[in-house]
Amino acid sequence: GAVVSQHPSWVICKSGTSVKIECRSLDFQATTMFWYRQFPKQSLMLMATSNEGSKATYEQGVEKDKFLINHASLTLSTLTVTSAHPEDSSFYICSAVLSGGGSYEQYFGPGTRLTVT
Amino acid sequence: DAKTTQPTSMDCAEGRAANLPCNHSTISGNEYVYWYRQIHSQGPQYIIHGLKNNETNEMASLIITEDRKSSTLILPHATLRDTAVYYCIVRVGRAAGNKLTFGGGTRVLVKP
Repeated sequence: GAVVSQHPSWVICKSGTSVKIECRSLDFQATTMFWYRQFPKQSLMLMATSNEGSKATYEQGVEKDKFLINHASLTLSTLTVTSAHPEDSSFYICSAVLSGGGSYEQYFGPGTRLTVT
Repeated sequence: DAKTTQPTSMDCAEGRAANLPCNHSTISGNEYVYWYRQIHSQGPQYIIHGLKNNETNEMASLIITEDRKSSTLILPHATLRDTAVYYCIVRVGRAAGNKLTFGGGTRVLVKP
């Protein structure tokens, strides 16, 4: 149980285009999901908190107009990188919170590798 | 959230126990200790968490000192598939919106 998927697993796009990444909780509902970014040989950096039915909360320094987050259902959150540039190339990882019995554990997706040329 | 300190890297022998230390000397009373690991090019995987008592599950054991200022993750019989970066994280409370702040972690290499 507690499986989180991401699609696509990797994507290459041209500079200036937009890319949408999907994060799905496959066997549970998640009112809260998180989006992280990881550059090579670095740790995960939290980008934003995604709450179902409301606006995402972005971490300091993350441009909300560039990284659009939509959490339209209890099993799906999407991250759209708008007008992508080479410096946006990174490994994007989502997590979904499984709530139950007073416990709130984050389960992570497999990640999406974005390369902007 | 309290900051954690972990060794940058460590090697261990396949089949032996791997003991991964973590210091969290500024931990607060309502903060839990979590351990995750990340195998290369994959998303992090939850391992175990605890508040005060030692915990054990099918993956590992977590030993928390009485003063809660440090903890040790124990992989009882390390296999090559346990090669990964292990993250020790302390997190406030237990609510859906509580964030995980990842530090540098410990890069563990299990050798045959």
